[in-house]
Amino acid sequence: QSVLTQPPSASGTPGQRVTISCSGNTSNIGSNTVHWYQQFPGTAPKVFIYSNNKRPSGVPDRFSGSKSGTSASLAISGLQSEDEADYFCATWDGNLNGPVFGGGTKLTVL
Amino acid sequence: QITLKESGPTLVKPTQTLTLTCTFSGFSLSADGFNVAWIRQPPGKALEWLALISWDDDKHYSPSLKNRLTITKDTSKSQVVLTMTNIDPVDTATYYCARGLDDDSFDVWGQGTMVAVSA
Repeated sequence: QSVLTQPPSASGTPGQRVTISCSGNTSNIGSNTVHWYQQFPGTAPKVFIYSNNKRPSGVPDRFSGSKSGTSASLAISGLQSEDEADYFCATWDGNLNGPVFGGGTKLTVL
Repeated sequence: QITLKESGPTLVKPTQTLTLTCTFSGFSLSADGFNVAWIRQPPGKALEWLALISWDDDKHYSPSLKNRLTITKDTSKSQVVLTMTNIDPVDTATYYCARGLDDDSFDVWGQGTMVAVSA
């Protein structure tokens, strides 16, 4: 069971806005910045959002991240078929003294 | 260009010790701010952090696996080695190494190496 809680699945139609939540506690999300990773089947994860809301170069501005208290969210607007992937949230946990991940959310574009 | 590549056995027998090597290029682990972590992913499951070693040789281990893991670095070879003792079939997974930054994100990942544990 993962330390951070994500819904196992999310879906939307092309053009829609979808949000994926990530819930933690005061020792992890409540105290540290959150990062989001995108993973396609059979490939390594890739950082998509870092430090709560920053996008690496090449990531479209359709993707945005936010954090409030002990929860974080990844929002995808103008959903496209190529956005279909698994998304994992992550942060540092001060009690565990290491990084922790969410269980992952499989995004399906209908 | 920053790259990391994992290497090691693809099949391990239960109770054996697994040794994985991460060979990286494009950055130095003797420079302030970087670390290298090992993260694994069982088939169809979530990512699980295992261990992390910093540029100053500071080491962190997953509390649930701490007694079985050892992480070391060889700066001259640009390698980070992870050993895991007393391997069990539940350790079957793809093992990734990744470069970590000061903000605790992992900005570059290796391609991963699949390790199966079976008698």
